Amino acid sequence: GIQVEQSPPDLILQEGANSTLRCNFSDSVNNLQWFHQNPWGQLINLFYIPSGTKQNGRLSATTVATERYSLLYISSSQTTDSGVYFCAVEAPGGSEKLVFGKGTKLTVNP
Amino acid sequence: KAGVTQTPRYLIKTRGQQVTLSCSPISGHRSVSWYQQTPGQGLQFLFEYFSETQRNKGNFPGRFSGRQFSNSRSEMNVSTLELGDSALYLCASSLGFGGYEQYFGPGTRLTVT
Repeated sequence: GIQVEQSPPDLILQEGANSTLRCNFSDSVNNLQWFHQNPWGQLINLFYIPSGTKQNGRLSATTVATERYSLLYISSSQTTDSGVYFCAVEAPGGSEKLVFGKGTKLTVNP
Repeated sequence: KAGVTQTPRYLIKTRGQQVTLSCSPISGHRSVSWYQQTPGQGLQFLFEYFSETQRNKGNFPGRFSGRQFSNSRSEMNVSTLELGDSALYLCASSLGFGGYEQYFGPGTRLTVT
């Protein structure tokens, strides 16, 4: 099945810093999503981005499908950005709905 | 529009018992998927239902089963609970089957003692 790798596994920042999270996947996809998991466990949708670039406030994402990677940019980080960020992909005709990476744990210190 | 809802939110069961979890998708969504999250294995796909039919199934034993009703609501059942079934169970819904954006509910946290 398709493999998803996220890096870095852990990231510690000072408030106001910028960061880039990476997601590599091993096969073509028809769905790629970025999520932020809140402290209560709910997965919050950040981006649905199987290809191209999108922006939402301080967050933006780019997926280069031909090179099988996606990047999530967080600018001017805030303490409320802390948490775990997941990348998840769906392969066309695959046997699994969404395959998740192991996540990047982001800690933003004041 | 209301989001995905899951009940119950928390559950404590004893080894050997069975449990049923419920998921109500976003209105108009016809696909429901279930995932298990544990510290050791991360987020893993359990199964997907679309138009009351199981379309995909992850690598889980037959103790894990599910169904979908005509109103798209879904239930999953775990029989003969084991300690290792303690996990956060997440349900997601989407408009259709294949390539659609998934929206997740708040999850059911199951503890097996």
